[in-house]
Amino acid sequence: AIQMTQSPSSLSASVGDRVTITCRASQAIRNDLSWYQQKPGKAPKLLIYAASSLQSGIPLRFSGSGSGTDFTLTISSLQPEDFATYYCLQDYYYPRTFGQGTKLEIK
Amino acid sequence: EVQLVESGGGLVQPGGSLRLSCVASGFTFSRGWVTWVRQAPGKGLEWVANIKQDGSEKNYVDSVKGRFTISRDNAKNSVYLQMNSLRVEDTAVYFCARDYTYYFQSSGYYYDALDIWGQGTIVTVSS
Repeated sequence: AIQMTQSPSSLSASVGDRVTITCRASQAIRNDLSWYQQKPGKAPKLLIYAASSLQSGIPLRFSGSGSGTDFTLTISSLQPEDFATYYCLQDYYYPRTFGQGTKLEIK
Repeated sequence: EVQLVESGGGLVQPGGSLRLSCVASGFTFSRGWVTWVRQAPGKGLEWVANIKQDGSEKNYVDSVKGRFTISRDNAKNSVYLQMNSLRVEDTAVYFCARDYTYYFQSSGYYYDALDIWGQGTIVTVSS
């Protein structure tokens, strides 16, 4: 199975900061990658699909980039509601695989 | 309102069985793939299985192959996950999600993503 490695595993940041989370695939996956946000006790929420396309209703401060094996999720100016855990998911090979998650905490 | 609602979770002994259900409302259910994702306590997300619109194609993560079966009944807007030979390590919150296909006309490529999620149902495997 394709391994998806996210970094960092956790991150402390302040409101207004710019943060970047990285996801690396063990094999090239074109740009078949999506990003999700999950808050405690809640279902995940889709943020980005096809590596860089913003899901409807998601704020413009979220953006994604990358292709092949290396991908990034960037939040341009952190808001209080952005503190959560973020996951990438590769949609190119079966079985689909998630990254291990990045927990974004308030500094 | 567009939503998915899971049910069927509970406490079961190792080796036992459970059948999870996922009922959709507010959208044309029969047009899309549906996926099950699970999350063990305090852990990350794990993709489990998905099923094509007409049920003709199913995919599973290796750890559940031969034990779990995904199926659907489009007339009831429902997808099911039959879980047999349950193990302690199957303990998790199980989410169903719509596996939406986005088409990019500029490239001719299709991309999938899980755009609608249920609230989850808890499965506990313990003696």
